[in-house]
Amino acid sequence: EAQVTQNPRYLITVTGKKLTVTCSQNMNHEYMSWYRQDPGLGLRQIYYSMNVEVTDKGDVPEGYKVSRKEKRNFPLILESPSPNQTSLYFCASSSNQRAGGPAGELFFGEGSRLTVL
Amino acid sequence: AQTVTQSQPEMSVQEAETVTLSCTYDTSENNYYLFWYKQPPSRQMILVIRQEAYKQQNATENRFSVNFQKAAKSFSLKISDSQLGDTAMYFCAFMKHGSGNTGKLIFGQGTTLQVKP
Repeated sequence: EAQVTQNPRYLITVTGKKLTVTCSQNMNHEYMSWYRQDPGLGLRQIYYSMNVEVTDKGDVPEGYKVSRKEKRNFPLILESPSPNQTSLYFCASSSNQRAGGPAGELFFGEGSRLTVL
Repeated sequence: AQTVTQSQPEMSVQEAETVTLSCTYDTSENNYYLFWYKQPPSRQMILVIRQEAYKQQNATENRFSVNFQKAAKSFSLKISDSQLGDTAMYFCAFMKHGSGNTGKLIFGQGTTLQVKP
C-alpha cells in the first residue's frame, strides 16, 4: 500500500529535550516536505526537499532541522523544543515534474501531535 | 504572494442533500494547481479533488465536483448526495506549477462541514 508513515503519532516532551519525528514514504517520490498545522493559522510549510541531499527552508523553519540522506526518509529534528512548537505536524511527498518541483498532488502522512511542556 | 480565502468557517447539510463550499484565491501566476483536501476527525489530510489551471473543464470525482472560475479566481467545491462520512474540515489549497515550483501548498483557513442524519 502506497503511504507516508510518520512516527511518533503522539509525543509529549519537555522544553529543551531533542527529538526527531521520522517520515518515510514507499512511493519512490523525489519531493518531500514538512508542514505544521495550528488553529487559526492553517498549515504552513517548514522545510522541503526536492531530492536526496537537497533541502530548503519553507515559511517557518526556525527551530527545526531536516536531512535527506535517503530518498524514502525525511526526518524533522527539533534540537531544543520550545512550547511554541506544540503543534500537529504533517509530512508529505510527491513525484517531481520534469521542470522540477512536485507534479501536483501531495500525499500526506497521518500527522504527529507534538506537545512541548 | 498568493493567498487563499475560505469565507465559510462552518457549514451544515442534511444527509443526501447537496452543499457547496466556497474558495477564492489571489495570485499573479498563470500556471498553477488548485486542490480540495478533506481532514476528518482522524486528522489525516486526504485529497478530494484537484484542478490544473490550464484546463477549462471542471474536475469531477464521483460525488465531488468543482466550479473553477479562473478570471474570478474562484474555486468552489460541490458535494452531492452528502453522506455522514463527509463530515470533516475541508481545505482549499493552491500550488504554483512549472519552473520555480517549490511544492509549497498555500492553504485556506478551512471550512468545517457537518452532515446531519
